[in-house]
Amino acid sequence: QSVLTQPPSVSGAPGQRVTISCTGSSSNIGAGYDVDWYQQLPGTAPKLLIYGNDNRPSGVPDRFSGSESGTSASLAITGLQAEDEADYYCQSYDSSLSAGVFGGGTKLTVL
Amino acid sequence: QVQLVQSGAEVKKPGASVKVSCKASGYTFSDYYMHWVRQAPGRGLEWMGRINSYTGATNYAQKFQGRVTMTRETPISTAYMEVSRLRFDDTAVFYCARGGSSSWFPLDYWGQGTLVTVSS
Repeated sequence: QSVLTQPPSVSGAPGQRVTISCTGSSSNIGAGYDVDWYQQLPGTAPKLLIYGNDNRPSGVPDRFSGSESGTSASLAITGLQAEDEADYYCQSYDSSLSAGVFGGGTKLTVL
Repeated sequence: QVQLVQSGAEVKKPGASVKVSCKASGYTFSDYYMHWVRQAPGRGLEWMGRINSYTGATNYAQKFQGRVTMTRETPISTAYMEVSRLRFDDTAVFYCARGGSSSWFPLDYWGQGTLVTVSS
């Protein structure tokens, strides 16, 4: 059971928009700790996709965006492409655990 | 460019220990924390802990306290993560990842991963 809750899977057709939710609590996202998002392509190491809730590292397309509200965060992907098929993880800091925490991960399938 | 290069795959017996290395290049090693993340086969990412590459101070996830030791050798820009008393369910890919210079996160660069297989 992960501290941050994500849907196990989402899917969309090429060109569509999908969102992935990440639900936390008052000791992590709700306490104001930043949410980061990572993309893990099959058989590769995770890659930083969004940091500080809504910032993109250099080189990440603006099709990817992040938002945060209350005890939840979301990752949105617009103009879905086949190459976006991957696992996506949210992460934050939890003050009650004094530890980093990940969501359980969401598998994105491009139909 | 920032690179983190990890040591190769390991096969260990239950009860043994394994030590994984992570050599950093392309930045001042002591300026950033190094984190370690575990991923069991077919499972999600699990944060294990972090080490202050300058002071050597560590923070571990409660689950790994007492069985995991993170160290570093600053002159050779290398971080290490040792797991003792290995169990079958420790079979996983272990990643090192660079954290913030003063903040905990994000993890902006990752190693390629090291597969540790625990098998009798």
